[in-house]
Amino acid sequence: EPEVTQTPSHQVTQMGQEVILRCVPISNHLYFYWYRQILGQKVEFLVSFYNNEISEKSEIFDDQFSVERPDGSNFTLKIRSTKLEDSAMYFCASSEGNEQYFGPGTRLTVT
Amino acid sequence: KNEVEQSPQNLTAQEGEFITINCSYSVGISALHWLQQHPGGGIVSLFMLSSGKKKHGRLIATINIQEKHSSLHITASHPRDSAVYICAVGLWGAQKLVFGQGTRLTINP
Repeated sequence: EPEVTQTPSHQVTQMGQEVILRCVPISNHLYFYWYRQILGQKVEFLVSFYNNEISEKSEIFDDQFSVERPDGSNFTLKIRSTKLEDSAMYFCASSEGNEQYFGPGTRLTVT
Repeated sequence: KNEVEQSPQNLTAQEGEFITINCSYSVGISALHWLQQHPGGGIVSLFMLSSGKKKHGRLIATINIQEKHSSLHITASHPRDSAVYICAVGLWGAQKLVFGQGTRLTINP
C-alpha cells in the first residue's frame, strides 16, 4: 500500500541553524501539507501546497518557514533559523481529495 | 474557544470493554476524521466521515451533522488499542485539518 515517507526520523540542531525536513508524498496525490505537534499539545496546521504554490498557511508559518517541491517526488519544509520553540514533531501529509495520509513524522529537537 | 473538543481527555478501561470517545465541533465542516497516534508518534487515519456511520473491524465511527457531534466506538477493546485517538475536521473552503486535543486510551489486560 502506498505511504507517505519522511526523513530524517529525528533531527537535532542548534538554535539559529537551518534545517530541511523531507517528505515523499504518495505519488498520485496533488495536495501536500505540513503539520506540527509540540510535545503534549495538539497537532497544528502549518501550510498546504497545491499546483506548485502555497494554497493556505497558518500564522505559525512566518518568514522563517518555506516549502518547496524541488522535483516530482519530494516535498520539503525549511526552517531558516531555528528557535528553541521550533522543537516539535513535524508531520507531512498528502491527499488527492479530502482524505489525508500522514507520514511517520520527524522529531525536531532544537538545543 | 476550541473549534474541536474531545471527551474524555483520558480513558482507562479493562480489556473487552466497549469504548466511546466523543468529538464536538463548532464550525462548518466538509469531513471529520478519526486518527490514531501511537506512542512512537506516527499518525494513522482510521475514518473519514461526512455523514452517517462507518465500520472497520471492531471500530465504528458515527457523525451527526445537525448536532455537530461524532463518536468513535471500539468493541471488545484490547490492550493493543491503547493509543491517542484524535478527532480532526476539514473546514469548508479550506484544505487544512483542525485537530482536537486527543483522547489518551489505555486498555489494561
